[in-house]
Parts: sequence; C-alpha cells; structure tokens
Amino acid sequence: EPEVTQTPSHQVTQMGQEVILRCVPISNHLYFYWYRQILGQKVEFLVSFYNNEISEKSEIFDDQFSVERPDGSNFTLKIRSTKLEDSAMYFCASRITGVEAFFGQGTRLTVV
Amino acid sequence: DAKTTQPNSMESNEEEPVHLPCNHSTISGTDYIHWYRQLPSQGPEYVIHGLTSNVNNRMASLAIAEDRKSSTLILHRATLRDAAVYYCILGSGSARQLTFGSGTQLTVLP
Repeated sequence: EPEVTQTPSHQVTQMGQEVILRCVPISNHLYFYWYRQILGQKVEFLVSFYNNEISEKSEIFDDQFSVERPDGSNFTLKIRSTKLEDSAMYFCASRITGVEAFFGQGTRLTVV
Repeated sequence: DAKTTQPNSMESNEEEPVHLPCNHSTISGTDYIHWYRQLPSQGPEYVIHGLTSNVNNRMASLAIAEDRKSSTLILHRATLRDAAVYYCILGSGSARQLTFGSGTQLTVLP
C-alpha cells in the first residue's frame, strides 16, 4: 500500500540553526500539507501546497517557515532559525483530490 | 470551520462494539463529517467520512443523524489495536486543511 514517507524520524538541532524536514508524498497525489503537534497538544495545520504554490497557511507559518517541492517527488519544510518552541512532531500529509488525507509517521524535532 | 464536541475519553472492552459520539450543531450544508484516528506515536489515519447517509467501510461505520447535528463512529468489534485518539472533523469535500480538536481518547480493555 502506498504511504507518505518522512525523514528523519528524529532530528535534534541547536536553537538558531536551520532545519529541513523531508517528505515523500504518495506519487500521484496533488495536494500536500504540513502539520505539527507539540507534545500533549492538538495537531495544528501549518501549510497546504498545490500546483507548486502555497494555497493556505496558518498564523504559525510565519517568515521563518518555507516549503518547497524541488523535484516533483520530495516535499520539504524548512525552518530558518529554530526556536525552542518549534520542538514538536511534524507531520506531512498528501491527498489526490478527494477527502481522504494520508499522513506520514512524522519527524520529531527537538530544539536544544 | 464549524466546531465539533466529543467526549474526552471512553473505554471499551475488547471484542465489543464501540460507539464514539460527535456533536456538530453548527454544521453547514456543504460540510462533510470526517473521522481520523491517531494511534500512539503515529500520524493521524483516515477512518471514514460522510455527508448525509450512513457509511460503512472495512474499518468502521458512520451513523449520521437526520438533522446532521450529530454523528457516531461505530467500531463493530474493538481490538487492542483500536486504542487511539479519535477525531471528528468537519470540512468541505474539497482538498482543504483539516482542523483537529482534542478528540476522544479510546481505551480498549482486554
């Protein structure tokens, strides 16, 4: 069964460093998303991406965040200068056109 | 997005049916009812969705009230693997973002 793949599973970075989280969505999907979940809290929407551009973003997704689909298969989330409060699980998701979204297993980002 | 209300937690015995309720009194006519679940240390997983009619799939059934102000996710025989947080989410049928609430933590007792 096709699945969304995220790497790495766990990343530790120092405050102020740049980090790139990587995702390989399901190959024929058209819509791509990043969500995050701070430990013990709700899953929060960050950004959606369609047709090579951002279609929606939340207030969390400020200028420190960017997304890219550089090669038609990978979908990346970059945080330019990490803060302690960026520590969370980051989930990538994709969907073709219908309702069902497929989520990856997540990347645990720890900022120290 | 319209708001949903779910119990914080529920318990069930293994191999018994589970009915997970969701209230959504402000649902709009175009809102679909989506259910996702999140197993421990995993990403959310799609369970089922519906608009007006009851729906069945291999994982669960979705019963939607006639006025659409509430719905119930039915797991016909709970297994230990069904222990998860279950989220009831309203949204359009198009590929928009999902707004997760706190969900219902389902505990399945052996």
